[in-house]
Amino acid sequence: EPEVTQTPSHQVTQMGQEVILRCVPISNHLYFYWYRQILGQKVEFLVSFYNNEISEKSEIFDDQFSVERPDGSNFTLKIRSTKLEDSAMYFCASSEEVEAFFGQGTRLTVV
Amino acid sequence: KQEVTQIPAALSVPEGENLVLNCSFTDSAIYNLQWFRQDPGKGLTSLLLIQSSQREQTSGRLNASLDKSSGRSTLYIAASQPGDSATYLCAPQSPAAGNKLTFGGGTRVLVKP
Repeated sequence: EPEVTQTPSHQVTQMGQEVILRCVPISNHLYFYWYRQILGQKVEFLVSFYNNEISEKSEIFDDQFSVERPDGSNFTLKIRSTKLEDSAMYFCASSEEVEAFFGQGTRLTVV
Repeated sequence: KQEVTQIPAALSVPEGENLVLNCSFTDSAIYNLQWFRQDPGKGLTSLLLIQSSQREQTSGRLNASLDKSSGRSTLYIAASQPGDSATYLCAPQSPAAGNKLTFGGGTRVLVKP
């Protein structure tokens, strides 16, 4: 069964460093998303991407964040200068039209 | 702005009991609503999708109902098993929130053998 895959599963980084989280969405899907979940809190939306551009972003998604679809299969989230409060589980999701499918997440720990 | 509440926050039942998980949302003009399962430290597994035109959706022992006018959805899990222990999340998608999902805080379920 097709699935969304994310790498790495866990990343530890020093404050101020850049990180890139990678996702391979399901191949025929058109809509791509990043969400995050801080430990003990709700899953919250970061950004959606359609037709090679950002379609919507939340207040969290400031200038420190960027997304890219560098080729036909990968979808990446970059955080330029990580802060302690960026520590969270980051989920990639994709959908063909309606139903969203999520990856297993990348646990980002900023120290 | 869409706000989603899930009650109860946690539920512990003996194996075999039926589970009833509630989700309420403030903006009733939704496109659809998804129920997800999340195991500790893991990703989100889509369980059921109910479109706005539907009243319910079933998959195996799972049944989800939707009452748009009152802003409520209920997930029923019949004959619970220890393997059903997880956190269950509901997430409506509404025009007011663009095409993103807005998540509730989840109901943490423990099914005791």
